[in-house]
Amino acid sequence: GQQLNQSPQSMFIQEGEDVSMNCTSSSIFNTWLWYKQEPGEGPVLLIALYKAGELTSNGRLTAQFGITRKDSFLNISASIPSDVGIYFCAGQRRNTPLVFGKGTRLSVIA
Amino acid sequence: KAGVTQTPRYLIKTRGQQVTLSCSPISGHRSVSWYQQTPGQGLQFLFEYFSETQRNKGNFPGRFSGRQFSNSRSEMNVSTLELGDSALYLCASSLDGGNYGYTFGSGTRLTVV
Repeated sequence: GQQLNQSPQSMFIQEGEDVSMNCTSSSIFNTWLWYKQEPGEGPVLLIALYKAGELTSNGRLTAQFGITRKDSFLNISASIPSDVGIYFCAGQRRNTPLVFGKGTRLSVIA
Repeated sequence: KAGVTQTPRYLIKTRGQQVTLSCSPISGHRSVSWYQQTPGQGLQFLFEYFSETQRNKGNFPGRFSGRQFSNSRSEMNVSTLELGDSALYLCASSLDGGNYGYTFGSGTRLTVV
């Protein structure tokens, strides 16, 4: 099935650094979502974006819905050890299934 | 409120057997979707049920089936298990089909030996 292009695949960063990851698609979406998954658990919704150009924050997390509706990015500021996990982007068109990226594995070195 | 509950959490089955996984959505959620997650393929959509009707279906063989009951609880069944069916199976519920985001359960880890 279709998947989004998510990059980078993995990141190793020092605690306190900022992180940026993005997702691109060849087709447009109405909604962009960012999830985080920790070992042994299902993905947890971090941020949902519903409008092109929308910029939304959730604590240290900021995400944007690209103007072309074909991309989105997620920034994490001042990373901490509990930010470790796999971050997934997902795109959706109305009443169709989520399409996921392959994930960005984030490791934080204290 | 309670989250999405999936049972069992872990399962080991033999090739050729069949398996049934269960998902209880968040109260009031009418849409339930199922995903297969593997290291190689990532999260792949299986099917979505809304008000007891299958609304969307992914590209999986007919061995994979599901259903939804009147209380919105859902089950998925995999018949004639193959080694490649080993995966984390995730269920996600939403109010109306995802327009306000999906909430995922913790998944069922299926191992086929």
